[in-house]
Amino acid sequence: EPEVTQTPSHQVTQMGQEVILRCVPISNHLYFYWYRQILGQKVEFLVSFYNNEISEKSEIFDDQFSVERPDGSNFTLKIRSTKLEDSAMYFCASSVLGLAGHSEQFFGPGTRLTVL
Amino acid sequence: SQKIEQNSEALNIQEGKTATLTCNYTNYSPAYLQWYRQDPGRGPVFLLLIRENEKEKRKERLKVTFDTTLKQSLFHITASQPADSATYLCALGANSGYALNFGKGTSLLVTP
Repeated sequence: EPEVTQTPSHQVTQMGQEVILRCVPISNHLYFYWYRQILGQKVEFLVSFYNNEISEKSEIFDDQFSVERPDGSNFTLKIRSTKLEDSAMYFCASSVLGLAGHSEQFFGPGTRLTVL
Repeated sequence: SQKIEQNSEALNIQEGKTATLTCNYTNYSPAYLQWYRQDPGRGPVFLLLIRENEKEKRKERLKVTFDTTLKQSLFHITASQPADSATYLCALGANSGYALNFGKGTSLLVTP
């Protein structure tokens, strides 16, 4: 069964460093998302991406964050200058349909980011 | 502000019983509502989606209801099994957006 994959599974970085989290969405999906979950808290939406552009972003997704689909399979989240409060589990998700179809989203296993 | 509330206390039930989880929301007019399961350290896994014009949806041992007047969804697991033990997340989406807004989840423990 197709699944969303994410690498690395765990990333440790120093405050102020740049990190890139990588995701391979399910191949026939058109909509891609990043969410994060701080330990013990709810899953929070960061950004959605369709047709090579951001379709929606939350207040959390400020200028320190960026997303890219550098090729036909990968989808990345970059944090330019990490802060302690960026420590969280980051989930990538994808879906066949987006706004129009209201379909389910398939989540990857997550990347645990630890900022020291 | 928009709020999605799920039972914060863990729900402990005996195997074979029906588990009922609640999702209430305020200041929100969702076009659809989804339920996900999350195991510790893992990503959410989709279970069921129900649209605003649907009252009830079923899938095997799972049943979801959606009452837009009460602003509430109920999630039922019948004939529960220890393998059903997990955190269950309610997520709302609006017609005009792509984001899923999640509740904090309710932890379910099914004991033999």
